This record gives sequence, structure tokens and C-alpha cells, in this order.
Amino acid sequence: SQKIEQNSEALNIQEGKTATLTCNYTNYSPAYLQWYRQDPGRGPVFLLLIRENEKEKRKERLKVTFDTTLKQSLFHITASQPADSATYLCALIPPQAGTALIFGKGTTLSVSS
Amino acid sequence: EAEVAQSPRYKITEKSQAVAFWCDPISGHATLYWYRQILGQGPELLVQFQDESVVDDSQLPKDRFSAERLKGVDSTLKIQPAELGDSAMYLCASSFVQGETQYFGPGTRLLVL
Repeated sequence: SQKIEQNSEALNIQEGKTATLTCNYTNYSPAYLQWYRQDPGRGPVFLLLIRENEKEKRKERLKVTFDTTLKQSLFHITASQPADSATYLCALIPPQAGTALIFGKGTTLSVSS
Repeated sequence: EAEVAQSPRYKITEKSQAVAFWCDPISGHATLYWYRQILGQGPELLVQFQDESVVDDSQLPKDRFSAERLKGVDSTLKIQPAELGDSAMYLCASSFVQGETQYFGPGTRLLVL
């Protein structure tokens, strides 16, 4: 069956460290993959989109990689801060299956000071 | 900055009652999505509109759920009758064109007692 897996439900790190979140997918060949941030009780907020022909994309302290051979995306937050604590969702649109996003369950990141 | 509006933010109802949620997408966004998010899970598509037309409602429980976007702008999602298992966050999202980045509203949290 088609699915998206995010490596862990929760990740706890200390302030200043780099957080690395993993997203694996099976049975898809998406043209691009997206990462969203979701705070408790709020809707997801778009962070980054990476296309299949891009190996890496950066935005301020965020970095996303996309390995279509491994069917995996890594999401990095460098110099993490307590304000980065949230749930991070990866999502993709399966080709030829409409244009709605398929989401992973998310990884909840907690950054302690 | 333009945002997707949703109301109400919270709704408590008893099973077998009818509930309705409203969404106003970002101005100019032709594509509108309704997602349902159960606690601890990623959002899952219920229905997708392109202007006033339904593009995908394959995951919408049509025996009790209905959705409309009569003038191709705002949209209403209705549940009648509500069941205990409908307790979840209902998220509305919009995009300028299909397949592009989706912008989410704050969601409506529904509790069915």
C-alpha cells in the first residue's frame, strides 16, 4: 500500500543542536515533496518544497534533502531554538492521483533550553 | 498577509446532531480542500474543489457528510448526523492552482459527545 513514514513520533534535542527529521515513502514517484510545521491546535504552515531534480534546498536555518533513489527526504533545523518546538509534517502529491496532499503522521520536535 | 478563514474554531455537539463548518479561502485561490485530522495523525483529504466543482470526494463519507462551494469562493462542510468517531480537527486549505503549495486555515476542532 502507499504510505509515508516519518522516522519517529517524537524527537527531543537541546537548544543549539541540529534536529534531523526523516520522511520515507513507498510506492510513489512524486515530482516534489513538501514540509509543513504544525503547532498544537493550529493548521499546518508551509515551510519548504523540494522538487525531484533538486538534491537540497535551504531557507534560513532549514535544510531539506530529497533522495528519489532511497525514497527519502531529510529535514534539518540547525542551531535549534525552543521556538522550533512543534510537529513537522512531510507531504507529497502522488502522480496521477489528484492534487491533494498525502501527509505523514508527523514528528513532534521538542527543543529544550 | 492573506489567510484562510474558518469558523467556528471549536464546536461541541451531541451525536446525531447536525454540524456545519465554514471556510473562506485566500482571495483568488481556485482550489479548495477540506481535510480531517485525527489527533496524532496527519491530515487526510475529505473533498477537493476546483472553483465550484468537486474534483475529488472519494474519501468523503457521503451518507453523512456533504460539502458545497456554490459560488466558487467560500465553502461549507456539513455532517448530519454526527457520530462519536467524527471528533477531529477539520482543516480547510486553498491553493492558487492545483498541485501548488497549500495554505491552511486554523481549523475547526469538533468534539462529539
